Amino acid sequence: GQNIDQPTEMTATEGAIVQINCTYQTSGFNGLFWYQQHAGEAPTFLSYNVLDGLEEKGRFSSFLSRSKGYSYLLLKELQMKDSASYLCAVLTDSWGKFQFGAGTQVVVTP
Amino acid sequence: NAGVTQTPKFRVLKTGQSMTLLCAQDMNHEYMYWYRQDPGMGLRLIHYSVGEGTTAKGEVPDGYNVSRLKKQNFLLGLESAAPSQTSVYFCASVGRQGFYEQYFGPGTRLTVT
Repeated sequence: GQNIDQPTEMTATEGAIVQINCTYQTSGFNGLFWYQQHAGEAPTFLSYNVLDGLEEKGRFSSFLSRSKGYSYLLLKELQMKDSASYLCAVLTDSWGKFQFGAGTQVVVTP
Repeated sequence: NAGVTQTPKFRVLKTGQSMTLLCAQDMNHEYMYWYRQDPGMGLRLIHYSVGEGTTAKGEVPDGYNVSRLKKQNFLLGLESAAPSQTSVYFCASVGRQGFYEQYFGPGTRLTVT
């Protein structure tokens, strides 16, 4: 079957770094995406990886290893507003079909 | 530029009733999607469309139908609502060019009693 696995919840202190892992086993792979979703709101796009390696975007970085079916999202200098759910998603074909993981709830404490 | 809008925002249905959720986008995007989100289960793809007049099934299509008669609109229908369809429904769109960043609507909270 197809699986995208993420931890359910992570807690970290303001100013710290948190790494959210995502492993995937899907029928196809055309890119991996990270979205942020605050409670009661719609997801918003954070990052995209299609080739192996690290993509950096301000305080957020995302890494991909296609051979290992593995990605992580790194959040640095955590702020209270980073408390949210982080969703890993795979584009599973070239026709625009996505599959999402269940999301990781990040709780930032003072 | 409103982006992606969804109508209605909230709805309560009785079991067996029907309804249509409307998604509209003003970005001239080719691809449109309907997801449902339940606690602890992330977003699950119901149906999607890769262009006007086309639709395709996602992971959880049973009990839903869709239509894309106009490029800017994607309708999700529930013919006979069931309590298991109580969920938050999100619509999203993606432009054909680019790297498939999805733009989401604000969501519709549906309760079936």
